Amino acid sequence: ELKVEQNPLFLSMQEGKNYTIYCNYSTTSDRLYWYRQDPGKSLESLFVLLSNGAVKQEGRLMASLDTKARLSTLHITAAVHDLSATYFCAVNRGLHYNTDKLIFGTGTRLQVFP
Amino acid sequence: GAVVSQHPSRVICKSGTSVKIECRSLDFQATTMFWYRQFPKQSLMLMATSNEGSKATYEQGVEKDKFLINHASLTLSTLTVTSAHPEDSSFYICSPGGRGGTQYFGPGTRLLVL
Repeated sequence: ELKVEQNPLFLSMQEGKNYTIYCNYSTTSDRLYWYRQDPGKSLESLFVLLSNGAVKQEGRLMASLDTKARLSTLHITAAVHDLSATYFCAVNRGLHYNTDKLIFGTGTRLQVFP
Repeated sequence: GAVVSQHPSRVICKSGTSVKIECRSLDFQATTMFWYRQFPKQSLMLMATSNEGSKATYEQGVEKDKFLINHASLTLSTLTVTSAHPEDSSFYICSPGGRGGTQYFGPGTRLLVL
């Protein structure tokens, strides 16, 4: 059974600081996603990582994937208050490209304070 | 990104009534629609997969007679919560499948059963 774990569950960080959120998954998968969720809202897509060693960056966020270690990281650089949200990683449950069932991590609730 | 709509955005109903949630894929013909549920402060859990023109498949522990899914066209899938009870209060989110690549999510429907 595919399991996806994130840590930390809660992260309170000061503006300007850097931090990393970790996402571990238990079985082989061909895609890993990162999403952002604001309170009361649905999911906003951040990154899709498709291959070992993939790295993607958007603004202050950078995501990477190590398929051998079954680990993805979401690195936050010089955090700002607008990044406060809950971040989820999700893994494609199937092994085929068109199997879109996602198993979500536990989520990391990020709060950035002045 | 993909345009996905859900209606209603929020609904309050009395215990024992049925509630229908519509999910529309506005820019993509979705042969598959995934329905997720998110309880407060928790992650998303896949409930079921609707397939256009055929029966839906349900995840373990999800009652198919309670959560009726219809996928009558390539742009519309509906989830009906029958005889809703307070424990069904949740955030229901749909996601069209079959695009490959990024998975997009609808804006969600917040259900409160009194």
